[in-house]
Amino acid sequence: AIQLTQSPSSLSASVGDRVTITCRASQAIRSTLAWYQQKPGKTPQLLIYDASTLESGVPSRFSGSGSGTDFTLTISSLQPEDFATYYCQQFNSYPLFTFGPGTKVDIK
Amino acid sequence: QLQLQESGPGLVKTSETLSLTCTVSGGSISSSTYYWGWIRQPPGKGLEWIGNIYYSGSTYYNPSLKSRITLSVDTSKDQFSLKLSSVTAADTAVYYCARAAVRYFDFWGQGALVAVSS
Repeated sequence: AIQLTQSPSSLSASVGDRVTITCRASQAIRSTLAWYQQKPGKTPQLLIYDASTLESGVPSRFSGSGSGTDFTLTISSLQPEDFATYYCQQFNSYPLFTFGPGTKVDIK
Repeated sequence: QLQLQESGPGLVKTSETLSLTCTVSGGSISSSTYYWGWIRQPPGKGLEWIGNIYYSGSTYYNPSLKSRITLSVDTSKDQFSLKLSSVTAADTAVYYCARAAVRYFDFWGQGALVAVSS
């Protein structure tokens, strides 16, 4: 089964910072990766799919890149509403899915 | 606007079967474009995919839970359901239902907290 790891597991950052989160797959998964944002007590929200396609309505400060085994989610200028936990999810082994363990972004 | 709503008991006894239903409104569960899935999240932990079901009844389960899961669909009611048998405290979680746009989950329910206790 394909495993996903995320790094870091948590980070502290300031408003305006550029933030990069990495997701690594245990085997090549082409570009079959999505990113979600989950705020405390809230439902996960889809941010990016197919590794780099921004979901409708998601601010352009979010971007995704990568293919194969290494992927990144970048927030170009962190905003107060971006403090949350971010999860990657692969669908290369569709119809089976896997989520990464999450990266918590909090205020420095 | 599509909405999904989980319903079911909030407390289940150890070794019994957890049962949840997801009601879809604002759209049809019989769309050939989508799958319908369940994801859970233990308190303070990450997301775990449980399984997906197609409107035809085809099912796809997380291998780690497969022996205990049953998914079903009722297209006449725009509902799909989860049964998880032989539950333990480790199954305590918020259970989400969601729409799978084939490769990712684009609409989620609000989640239902299910606690397992003896």
